[in-house]
Amino acid sequence: GESVGLHLPTLSVQEGDNSIINCAYSNSASDYFIWYKQESGKGPQFIIDIRSNMDKRQGQRVTVLLNKTVKHLSLQIAATQPGDSAVYFCAEKGMGPEGGSYIPTFGRGTSLIVHP
Amino acid sequence: DAGVTQSPTHLIKTRGQQVTLRCSPKSGHDTVSWYQQALGQGPQFIFQYYEEEERQRGNFPDRFSGHQFPNYSSELNVNALLLGDSALYLCASSPKGKAADTQYFGPGTRLTVL
Repeated sequence: GESVGLHLPTLSVQEGDNSIINCAYSNSASDYFIWYKQESGKGPQFIIDIRSNMDKRQGQRVTVLLNKTVKHLSLQIAATQPGDSAVYFCAEKGMGPEGGSYIPTFGRGTSLIVHP
Repeated sequence: DAGVTQSPTHLIKTRGQQVTLRCSPKSGHDTVSWYQQALGQGPQFIFQYYEEEERQRGNFPDRFSGHQFPNYSSELNVNALLLGDSALYLCASSPKGKAADTQYFGPGTRLTVL
């Protein structure tokens, strides 16, 4: 089947730096993408999403960029803080059963380590 | 609001045994999905329940089964456990038909099969 994957398994940054986490996807028909943050001992937490009719979306300290030409997605975190240390997943959100909820297809994840 | 809760938090079983994991959805949510997350991997979709029925299923064998109760809580059952079933099992709840930003994950149950 189609896959969603990440380029780097681990990213180390200094507190205050900007972080960029990358993700490649292979399904050119995908039209909805989500970034999740998973802290140790917790389930994934929604960060931000983007639809394929957009190439950029901003949230609080986070920006997601979508390049459909090369099927690439990135998450930018501004002024990275120690609390941002976690595993970050990009996911492609497929349509679930009729009337049901969307079902994400997750990539492997990137571990972000923020050094104080 | 307690959010999505799962029990137990940790569980150790031996090969061939059966296990039942439980999930209580966030208040106001009626749809429950289950995921398996192997170490170092992303969560993999097992199945989704709403209106007390399995509505969609991922690529998992019949050894994996589930149930949803009238109060929307759910159980995941795994029979004839294999070593490869060792993983974090996540439950996620959402209002029916809604998108990603309304889906909440629980903390998971860590299953170890020896």
